[in-house]
Amino acid sequence: DSGVTQTPKHLITATGQRVTLRCSPRSGDLSVYWYQQSLDQGLQFLIQYYNGEERAKGNILERFSAQQFPDLHSELNLSSLELGDSALYFCASSVGLGVPPYNEQFFGPGTRLTVL
Amino acid sequence: DQQVKQNSPSLSVQEGRISILNCDYTNSMFDYFLWYKKYPAEGPTFLISISSIKDKNEDGRFTVFLNKSAKHLSLHIVPSQPGDSAVYFCAASGKGGGSNYKLTFGKGTLLTVNP
Repeated sequence: DSGVTQTPKHLITATGQRVTLRCSPRSGDLSVYWYQQSLDQGLQFLIQYYNGEERAKGNILERFSAQQFPDLHSELNLSSLELGDSALYFCASSVGLGVPPYNEQFFGPGTRLTVL
Repeated sequence: DQQVKQNSPSLSVQEGRISILNCDYTNSMFDYFLWYKKYPAEGPTFLISISSIKDKNEDGRFTVFLNKSAKHLSLHIVPSQPGDSAVYFCAASGKGGGSNYKLTFGKGTLLTVNP
């Protein structure tokens, strides 16, 4: 158990809909990261928040948005869903900004999103 | 453009033998490398890391080797055990741009250790 929790575990929805994925980081971790893992793809970095502020952006679509709340939990919002958005979405957390050698990230179990 | 490549999607070895997982990178700004292990239905778990100022780091049965000139790293598992069967991801981080320390992951290699 990494200490990172993600809800829900599974989500099935239809195209055009909007969903919210939730993540609670490890106690004391200030950074939260979101990743997408599609079939045949590695972990694609989406976005990082540090202590409530957006810190780094990766390959995140405009239809996707995220935020980190004062209690440090984070939510990833996916809207106007398409079939291709079906994937595993992982949240990770780390101490500080993830500067080496302390850039080890601790991953949650993931949310499997299926868009029908 | 994939900056971290794991060219072997899968690898099968016998219990007790050595497992060697390979990873290549293209971005010369990467200066820290990590390996993660992932079991089905779980998130990736950190395994071992290495800084670019080193060429080897060892932790029990796991050793990571870094060849900077070749932009290549490898993970050696000796001896391999059935419980090591998992997907192994190589990841890299480095300075530059607005995402200084984000991790860039390879696609992973599925290791199967046969009893």
